Amino acid sequence: GENVEQHPSTLSVQEGDSAVIKCTYSDSASNYFPWYKQELGKRPQLIIDIRSNVGEKKDQRIAVTLNKTAKHFSLHITETQPEDSAVYFCAASEGGTYKYIFGTGTRLKVLA
Amino acid sequence: DAEITQSPRHKITETGRQVTLACHQTWNHNNMFWYRQDLGHGLRLIHYSYGVHDTNKGEVSDGYSVSRSNTEDLPLTLESAASSQTSVYFCASSASVNYGYTFGSGTRLTVV
Repeated sequence: GENVEQHPSTLSVQEGDSAVIKCTYSDSASNYFPWYKQELGKRPQLIIDIRSNVGEKKDQRIAVTLNKTAKHFSLHITETQPEDSAVYFCAASEGGTYKYIFGTGTRLKVLA
Repeated sequence: DAEITQSPRHKITETGRQVTLACHQTWNHNNMFWYRQDLGHGLRLIHYSYGVHDTNKGEVSDGYSVSRSNTEDLPLTLESAASSQTSVYFCASSASVNYGYTFGSGTRLTVV
């Protein structure tokens, strides 16, 4: 089955700097890669996703890149703000199914 | 507005008791999922369903069961609660393959 590894587990950046979170996956049939943001005590919320036929996707300050050959994908947050502080999870679909396997999460702290 | 709701929000139960966590969605999604969230493990899939009367085991299904008698509900039952099942449980639904999940607000379960 699919295995997703996520790094780093914690990340601290100064406000205004960029943050990068990286994930690797094992199943070459995975074709959908969502990213979720979870604030303390809240539910995970989808912030951006990418499908396997696309190499990069951007939405304002957030971008995701996908390298299918190397089986890794990354989340990039530019011009970080204190409200970006949260836990971020990557996920990968298992084959072409509706099941998503999640990484273990990255706690991002944006220091004012 | 369509939504996905979980109940109860918090539950304390004793070892050995049967517990049922409710999940109800009004999105009319066929696909529903139960995950548990534990520090250091991220979100792990317990059970999932692709439609009425369909149920499937996830990676951590031992000690749990689900049933799907209608589109809206996927209750999760702990047959005989154990301390290792103390966790935060999230229900999620999705419309189709390659679409992100919508998560419920979670149930914090403590087994004493």
